[in-house]
Parts: sequence; structure tokens; C-alpha cells
Amino acid sequence: KAGVTQTPRYLIKTRGQQVTLSCSPISGHRSVSWYQQTPGQGLQFLFEYFSETQRNKGNFPGRFSGRQFSNSRSEMNVSTLELGDSALYLCASSLGPEEEQFFGPGTRLTVL
Amino acid sequence: GENVEQHPSTLSVQEGDSAVIKCTYSDSASNYFPWYKQELGKGPQLIIDIRSNVGEKKDQRIAVTLNKTAKHFSLHITETQPEDSAVYFCAASRGGSYIPTFGRGTSLIVHP
Repeated sequence: KAGVTQTPRYLIKTRGQQVTLSCSPISGHRSVSWYQQTPGQGLQFLFEYFSETQRNKGNFPGRFSGRQFSNSRSEMNVSTLELGDSALYLCASSLGPEEEQFFGPGTRLTVL
Repeated sequence: GENVEQHPSTLSVQEGDSAVIKCTYSDSASNYFPWYKQELGKGPQLIIDIRSNVGEKKDQRIAVTLNKTAKHFSLHITETQPEDSAVYFCAASRGGSYIPTFGRGTSLIVHP
């Protein structure tokens, strides 16, 4: 069974731009969560989607948004990029909420 | 909100030794405590988890203990091997809303 895939793996943007990251969960998984990982703040929860609905949201500004499609694939968007948004963005999928999460390899975003 | 402290930040051991990583949490309502292993260039991988209704759980060379009264939990790895070298994260969350709070990570180095 294929694991969680994230595209692109690496991305370079400049301040003020926006970016969209994509996550394809493991087949059959309906829950997708997103995390931001930085050396300074560590691993932080962004949001969780289940059946196309956002169930939970972490403490991030409104510039961070996401959505989930009917096939469980998910995207997250960051608008008006700031230097501090440079991070590894991780997606995790699970069969449902509160089930074991399986992480993808992440998308490394660099904001210049 | 929840706060998770993890120690040590770096742990260096010889192959065959045991390794212990400790975490404390602040929210007494937290009842799910997973541990993740993250290798270079990869996303975190769940290696063991424990729920608040048990005090200890083992899986081969890995064990986790939980003390709800003191609000701390620990990861124990016995007979360490070089392939155990990675960054380990603890996390805590409440049931009903899986919003994990992560520790800052422990870099485990196992010398052959």
C-alpha cells in the first residue's frame, strides 16, 4: 500500500507570494492533518480534516488555510508569505479521527 | 493550553546500552501519549503509544511508562542499535479532539 505522498517536496517562494501544498493520503484514509515543523517552534498542529470538514484548527493566523476533497486528498494554502513561514510542512493521514497517524515526507518551503 | 516538556535534547549512548527519554505534560485532561521517531529527510513515524488507562506498554525493545499523577511519561529503548539513531518526539492530546502538543524532540545517537 502506498504511503502518504506530498507534492512538491521542495519549494522556494518570495515574501508576499502565496503557496499551495498538496497531500494524498493512504488509500482508505479519510482523515488528514497538517503540521508545521521548524527548528525554533518544533512540531505544531495546523489543522485536521475529516470527510471534507475541518474538525480542528491550531493556533495559526488566517493566512493559513486548507481544504479536503471528496477523494480525501487535501491541500493547504499560505497567503502573503513571510520569512517565518519557512518550514517543513507535514501531512498525516489516518483512517479516522483519533486513529494512528501516518506521516508523509513533508514539503520543505523556503521563503526568501 | 497543553505544554509538553521533553528531556534530554540530545542523548548519546553506546550500542547495546539502554536509552530513556522523559516528557512531562501540563493538561490533566490529556489521555493519549504517542511517541514518534523521525529519521533524516522523513516524516515522523509512530513507534509506540499509550492511553491513560494503562501504566506501561511494551513492544519488543521499546517500552513506554505513564504516571498520570505526576503527569509524566517516558520512552525506554533497550539494547540500542545504530539504526535507532534518530530524533524522537513525545506528544500529548485529549480524546475527542486529536490536537497533539509535541515535545521539542530528543536527538538519539547510538555509537557502534
